[in-house]
Amino acid sequence: AQSVTQLDSQVPVFEEAPVELRCNYSSSVSVYLFWYVQYPNQGLQLLLKYLSGSTLVESINGFEAEFNKSQTSFHLRKPSVHISDTAEYFCAVTEAGGTSYDKVIFGPGTSLSVIP
Amino acid sequence: DTGVSQNPRHKITKRGQNVTFRCDPISEHNRLYWYRQTLGQGPEFLTYFQNEAQLEKSRLLSDRFSAERPKGSFSTLEIQRTEQGDSAMYLCASSSEGSLAGYSGETQYFGPGTRLLVL
Repeated sequence: AQSVTQLDSQVPVFEEAPVELRCNYSSSVSVYLFWYVQYPNQGLQLLLKYLSGSTLVESINGFEAEFNKSQTSFHLRKPSVHISDTAEYFCAVTEAGGTSYDKVIFGPGTSLSVIP
Repeated sequence: DTGVSQNPRHKITKRGQNVTFRCDPISEHNRLYWYRQTLGQGPEFLTYFQNEAQLEKSRLLSDRFSAERPKGSFSTLEIQRTEQGDSAMYLCASSSEGSLAGYSGETQYFGPGTRLLVL
């Protein structure tokens, strides 16, 4: 079974500063990794995902995450945050290449607050 | 297509009452999922449908919970004899089937959720 740890429950950061949201996972098999974002009063949206290939994946709004198999991590970074990035961020994992359904395990979330 | 929709968005009920939630997935998606999210936690998997077949149920889904997807389109989640511990956000998501070789990381698209408060 897979599990996800997000050590930082809240991350306050000033506007235009860099940010890193940490995610570590546990699994005995190969995994796919995801970051979802939940803006206030909105549903979860996929931010980016790692399936295979390049370990660095990027989103359209400037976030990137790097899959590190040896450290079992998938940290999310952005070099310069905006007020609009204020949201809850969830790291998630699922078994890679499974023949059954897509059971996604979510972490507890990190609340990112961007301070003007 | 406007995405996954859920109704109602909010529900307040008294303990012991039955409630039913509806989810309308993206029309071409044949996979549908229900999750429960409590305050300060990530979504927890409840159950999964492939077309009209319910293929997996979490141990979180007690006998008071039942989900259906009768025609492989919309789905309903019913909670009987609600308890205060059932208070949570109930999320629905859908995805396409993806590769015939198995799960290929298809993106799950989430609805806005139904917030349930049991008094």
